[in-house]
Amino acid sequence: GQNIDQPTEMTATEGAIVQINCTYQTSGFNGLFWYQQHAGEAPTFLSYNVLDGLEEKGRFSSFLSRSKGYSYLLLKELQMKDSASYLCAVRDPNDYKLSFGAGTTVTVRA
Amino acid sequence: KAGVTQTPRYLIKTRGQQVTLSCSPISGHRSVSWYQQTPGQGLQFLFEYFSETQRNKGNFPGRFSGRQFSNSRSEMNVSTLELGDSALYLCASSLQGALNTEAFFGQGTRLTVV
Repeated sequence: GQNIDQPTEMTATEGAIVQINCTYQTSGFNGLFWYQQHAGEAPTFLSYNVLDGLEEKGRFSSFLSRSKGYSYLLLKELQMKDSASYLCAVRDPNDYKLSFGAGTTVTVRA
Repeated sequence: KAGVTQTPRYLIKTRGQQVTLSCSPISGHRSVSWYQQTPGQGLQFLFEYFSETQRNKGNFPGRFSGRQFSNSRSEMNVSTLELGDSALYLCASSLQGALNTEAFFGQGTRLTVV
């Protein structure tokens, strides 16, 4: 089975940095995904990590440590439009499905 | 190119009824997955179809079923609706359902059971 944990809520100020942690305990692992979901909208893909280390993509970076079962999503230079739910998901190599964490709601304040 | 299209966007049904939701994947994508999203449970995997075959199934009762057509469009059906089935139902398509390809989500169908 899959157990994926992330904080429920985080609040930060515009222009600041926020780090969203995700820990997982899974029966199999073949990649960790981060998605962003604005209220009432579809989740949109942000990043994918399958090897240890940091993947940087503009203001967003994602880190993975497979030995620790740990990932984080780093949002830099926060903007008001970054207020959304951020979903961590792990792919099982045996059945292709994505198992999602409950999501972290990030609120950016002026 | 068009994204993933789900119809209808909103639906209200009464307990005991059945409902069919539709998902048209991105052109060329052969894998379609369905998820249920509720505030308390987050995104829960329902099932995945690839080339008209159900390849994976989540832990949902048999009232939840689906199918995929030769053009990769997929439908999911929920019979004997219960109040707890009220949720946002999302479908996601990916190129081949391969392990390292991201899934693209549709806008979802918001189902309310009264």
